[in-house]
Amino acid sequence: EPEVTQTPSHQVTQMGQEVILRCVPISNHLYFYWYRQILGQKVEFLVSFYNNEISEKSEIFDDQFSVERPDGSNFTLKIRSTKLEDSAMYFCASSKKETQYFGPGTRLLVL
Amino acid sequence: GDSVTQMEGPVTLSEEAFLTINCTYTATGYPSLFWYVQYPGEGLQLLLKATKADDKGSNKGFEATYRKETTSFHLEKGSVQVSDSAVYFCALSDPGDYKLSFGAGTTVTVRA
Repeated sequence: EPEVTQTPSHQVTQMGQEVILRCVPISNHLYFYWYRQILGQKVEFLVSFYNNEISEKSEIFDDQFSVERPDGSNFTLKIRSTKLEDSAMYFCASSKKETQYFGPGTRLLVL
Repeated sequence: GDSVTQMEGPVTLSEEAFLTINCTYTATGYPSLFWYVQYPGEGLQLLLKATKADDKGSNKGFEATYRKETTSFHLEKGSVQVSDSAVYFCALSDPGDYKLSFGAGTTVTVRA
């Protein structure tokens, strides 16, 4: 069964550094998403992406964040200058329509 | 905006007990409703879904019915196992934008 994959599984970085989180969505899906889950809190929507552009973004998704689909398979989330409060689990998801399938997540720790 | 309210946990049960996790929602339109499960150390897995009123989603012995009149989507399982120990998330998506709004999650622990 096709799966969403994410790399790396864990990332430790220093405050102010740039990080890129990578995702390979399910191949015939058209919609792509990033969510985050701060430890002990609910899963929060960050951004959705369709037809090579952002279709919606949340208030969390400020100028420090960007997404890209550089080729036909990868979908990336970049955080330009990480802050301590960016420490969270980041989930990528993809869908054909409303049913989203999630990757295993990347745990980001900002020191 | 859209929101999901879940029964707060944690919930601790014995094996073979009946499980109910309440979920109610607020939405402007006619959302699709989902239950996702997160096993310890893992990501989110789709457990079941319902896309219109009175639909029943079911999977792995779990069931939930989309109740428009009570704006609810309660999750039930008749006989839980230790392997059902996980965090359960209720979520909705509006037609057209597909982004998910999640509830806070309910931690369920099943003891042998």
